[in-house]
Amino acid sequence: AQSVTQLGSHVSVSEGALVLLRCNYSSSVPPYLFWYVQYPNQGLQLLLKYTSAATLVKGINGFEAEFKKSETSFHLTKPSAHMSDAAEYFCAVSSMNSGGYQKVTFGIGTKLQVIP
Amino acid sequence: GAVVSQHPSRVICKSGTSVKIECRSLDFQATTMFWYRQFPKKSLMLMATSNEGSKATYEQGVEKDKFLINHASLTLSTLTVTSAHPEDSSFYICSAKHRILFEAFFGQGTRLTVV
Repeated sequence: AQSVTQLGSHVSVSEGALVLLRCNYSSSVPPYLFWYVQYPNQGLQLLLKYTSAATLVKGINGFEAEFKKSETSFHLTKPSAHMSDAAEYFCAVSSMNSGGYQKVTFGIGTKLQVIP
Repeated sequence: GAVVSQHPSRVICKSGTSVKIECRSLDFQATTMFWYRQFPKKSLMLMATSNEGSKATYEQGVEKDKFLINHASLTLSTLTVTSAHPEDSSFYICSAKHRILFEAFFGQGTRLTVV
């Protein structure tokens, strides 16, 4: 079984401030972890992914995330928020299920608000 | 590359009618496609997993006869909402698993409104 917990359904930061979106996961097998961004009425866009290589993963738009096995965390950060970062962010974990298929489980999402 | 096209992006239908949503991988082959439903203020709920040429695997609680999924080719999967009711109104998103890359690419989603 696998699950994802995103702490904080809403996060507000000032423009230029640090962005920190928290994600903790549970998985019975080594996980693959993802962060996706969703703009209103649009699909999901992959920001970055961890697939058992480097624990610090850099993604698009200046975002990065660090895989910490001991803490079962995969928090998303960005040094300086931009107005265009306002969106909803989903953390996701993936593994093979009993049928052999890759199954992706999403967190509840965190809506990021950037204040001018 | 790795583009997934979902059509239509928005659809309004009358209660009792059926609606078909298409999910196409435009520049890669997808042996597996996933269909999700997104509820307001909630996460994406996996509805079913479809594999080319075989029956879809539905998640617990999802009605197979109501949400018909067909994965006829390596680039196309369809979701048909049969006898739609207002409670079926939602945002439906598909994703296609790239045959080589360990990543699922998402369509733009379909906003279904049943009136």
